[in-house]
Amino acid sequence: QQQVKQSPQSLIVQKGGISIINCAYENTAFDYFPWYQQFPGKGPALLIAIRPDVSEKKEGRFTISFNKSAKQFSLHIMDSQPGDSATYFCAASMGNYQLIWGAGTKLIIKP
Amino acid sequence: GAVVSQHPSRVICKSGTSVKIECRSLDFQATTMFWYRQFPKQSLMLMATSNEGSKATYEQGVEKDKFLINHASLTLSTLTVTSAHPEDSSFYICSARGKGFYYGYTFGSGTRLTVV
Repeated sequence: QQQVKQSPQSLIVQKGGISIINCAYENTAFDYFPWYQQFPGKGPALLIAIRPDVSEKKEGRFTISFNKSAKQFSLHIMDSQPGDSATYFCAASMGNYQLIWGAGTKLIIKP
Repeated sequence: GAVVSQHPSRVICKSGTSVKIECRSLDFQATTMFWYRQFPKQSLMLMATSNEGSKATYEQGVEKDKFLINHASLTLSTLTVTSAHPEDSSFYICSARGKGFYYGYTFGSGTRLTVV
């Protein structure tokens, strides 16, 4: 019940395309859903996060879509650029507790 | 924004020695610190959680006598890998959460530990 399932494991997108990464969770008590971007040899950096009372949040080229009834949330990267090539992690937490992490998606943007 | 400084970024040590990794919150008081370990091409694995002034809470399977965590002040937490062995080689990452930052987790840049 504590798991967050992330897919796909890897993704190749052409420059300018839309990258979509999906996550699903079971625990309905989760109330915070962030996405992190990690470059090789670096710590994760928060990209964007959403609370369950909102169905969508957009920040620049990054959008989180949240479907509470389906217990799913996804990250959309519009106009994907080579600099977006990184590993992306979804996560979820409940209250003030630890983050539960997805397995990660390695995104490659082809020029 | 909130910044967490983690040092060293890379360290190579001999088997049997101890290594200390520091994590400092530069512009906020870190009431809670999380320490993670990350293997290549894998997700982050939580090792322990520490609250300032309290003993760390270790996740199941993590040896607390081997991975010593100290969170003595609101701006500094340390992870000491004692009697390191090659299997301890990994990428270690700290994450801090401040008082009032109910959902905010700020990550350090990570430490690549290689035990030879």
